[in-house]
Amino acid sequence: QKEVEQDPGPLSVPEGAIVSLNCTYSNSAFQYFMWYRQYSRKGPELLMYTYSSGNKEDGRFTAQVDKSSKYISLFIRDSQPSDSATYLCAMSGNKAAGNKLTFGGGTRVLVKP
Amino acid sequence: GAVVSQHPSRVICKSGTSVKIECRSLDFQATTMFWYRQFPKKSLMLMATSNEGSKATYEQGVEKDKFLINHASLTLSTLTVTSAHPEDSSFYICSAPITGTGRGNEQFFGPGTRLTVL
Repeated sequence: QKEVEQDPGPLSVPEGAIVSLNCTYSNSAFQYFMWYRQYSRKGPELLMYTYSSGNKEDGRFTAQVDKSSKYISLFIRDSQPSDSATYLCAMSGNKAAGNKLTFGGGTRVLVKP
Repeated sequence: GAVVSQHPSRVICKSGTSVKIECRSLDFQATTMFWYRQFPKKSLMLMATSNEGSKATYEQGVEKDKFLINHASLTLSTLTVTSAHPEDSSFYICSAPITGTGRGNEQFFGPGTRLTVL
């Protein structure tokens, strides 16, 4: 079993719909949770960063972390064709763990105009 | 967000040659940087942790003599692929975390370097 599980998709939605992404993990030591967006042949771009449990909103993006369930989510409202990309969840333990990130496999998202 | 650059963005070389890839943190200092390798339609695979002023730490299965890492300053890490072979062809990406008081583990990635070995 992988340490971080993420549905590979592809997830296809019509423009304007809400995109719902999630990851589950098994390591209870994870404290920092991140979502990255990666376009083809580009480096990942940090979208959302959350420490411990809770919700965080930034524009059209909302990140949720439920440490009790070991489950994190990313919601994209009013999706646009430009949101078509691969979305990677990533997480790490405390700083003593060396800042290494553990990634999910990524979910391909396609927003159709 | 912080900016991390990589150079070159793309390189094509002949089998047996060595290739150097640079990773720079442009607006912050990074005592640690990470090097990843990514295959098409796959997630990132951590290769090694680059530490300023000390030896790099390699992940299991990564040949340290094949992938030489030098963290020359607080803003520059280099990855040299020695005696490159076609199986080394891949997308190489570096990242750097912003640390310090009040900062957790936000990591910023470079744009990646596509290496093709003929």
